[in-house]
Amino acid sequence: AQSVTQPDIHITVSEGASLELRCNYSYGATPYLFWYVQSPGQGLQLLLKYFSGDTLVQGIKGFEAEFKRSQSSFNLRKPSVHWSDAAEYFCAVGAMNYGGSQGNLIFGKGTKLSVKP
Amino acid sequence: DGGITQSPKYLFRKEGQNVTLSCEQNLNHDAMYWYRQDPGQGLRLIYYSQIVNDFQKGDIAEGYSVSREKKESFPLTVTSAQKNPTAFYLCATSDRRDQPQHFGDGTRLSIL
Repeated sequence: AQSVTQPDIHITVSEGASLELRCNYSYGATPYLFWYVQSPGQGLQLLLKYFSGDTLVQGIKGFEAEFKRSQSSFNLRKPSVHWSDAAEYFCAVGAMNYGGSQGNLIFGKGTKLSVKP
Repeated sequence: DGGITQSPKYLFRKEGQNVTLSCEQNLNHDAMYWYRQDPGQGLRLIYYSQIVNDFQKGDIAEGYSVSREKKESFPLTVTSAQKNPTAFYLCATSDRRDQPQHFGDGTRLSIL
């Protein structure tokens, strides 16, 4: 069965510091991978996606993520965090083939990011 | 302006009452989804629909019902059979199975 693990429930970083949020997935075939961000009381906004090709993908707001098949990981990074990046971040995996009962994304439980001034 | 509109933003349910959450989209997307979000639980799929007049149960469909009579609309009814309905409900759409989902701003449902 597909699954997504975000090992860190809550991370605090100082403004201007670098950031890495971890995501590990379990899926037999080549997955579609996504990172979303959610501000309190809001919906989810897509940061970036990986479908195929270059394993380093660039997203909005200066975020990037690297797909590592050997480690089943898709970690999100940002070189310098801004106070406005404080939010909750969700990693998600989608099936390449939507045959069967699933036609949806599987989400991790999220990592809450706090930013210290 | 294209997007997904969820209404109301806040909803209160009395004991034994059914309530309906609205989700309307003008993105012309075929697929629509309903998720439930509880603190620390991520998003869990309730129902999804790939085309009009067809929908499938997700992982936690018990106590919920949906309809898809129009491409633009995918309302979710939280029935009295759902004993723990307090949560944040998110509607999403996508135009193909291999494309990202776009999300509405959510409806927060609470018990009176």
